[in-house]
Amino acid sequence: GAVVSQHPSWVICKSGTSVKIECRSLDFQATTMFWYRQFPKQSLMLMATSNEGSKATYEQGVEKDKFLINHASLTLSTLTVTSAHPEDSSFYICSARLVGGSYGYTFGSGTRLTVV
Amino acid sequence: QKEVEQNSGPLSVPEGAIASLNCTYSDRGSQSFFWYRQYSGKSPELIMSIYSNGDKEDGRFTAQLNKASQYVSLLIRDSQPSDSATYLCAVNRNNNDMRFGAGTRLTVKP
Repeated sequence: GAVVSQHPSWVICKSGTSVKIECRSLDFQATTMFWYRQFPKQSLMLMATSNEGSKATYEQGVEKDKFLINHASLTLSTLTVTSAHPEDSSFYICSARLVGGSYGYTFGSGTRLTVV
Repeated sequence: QKEVEQNSGPLSVPEGAIASLNCTYSDRGSQSFFWYRQYSGKSPELIMSIYSNGDKEDGRFTAQLNKASQYVSLLIRDSQPSDSATYLCAVNRNNNDMRFGAGTRLTVKP
């Protein structure tokens, strides 16, 4: 089945540094990937939608200069949290939509980011 | 009004009982509907998808959709302790992105 590999699964970084999270579709091409953030005991909140070869579309309230998204190929999308602060500590999850108009979505395993 | 709303939890049922989870959505143009299960610290996993009005059964799970009422539900029969998790209702609005409800935490007590 369709698999999205997300790395790292967890990361601890110092305030002010940047962290890159990768999502790769292993056995399918993902024209569109979605990035979600989930705070403890809250639901998934869509941060941005990335389309291969074009700029990401950010949800209202999400700083595009802070959360840099790159979708350079049909199998790789990255999210970089720049100048991280403790309030950025969260669970970040990517999701990919299968090519071909399918409604199917598959999720990465998530990245637990802790900023100290 | 939130785009996707779920009944507030937590929900606790005894082992073997039926767990009923409810969800309403605001966008009448929504086309597809999903139930995900999420264990603590893990990413969501798809349990059921439903696209047309009526019931869809898969093992112990039954999804129900009523587009006129903008309502979708999930029934879990013969609930097991391993079903204890947070259940997320998700709605695909226009084949472009998916919106999630806040989730209902289910506890199945042995």
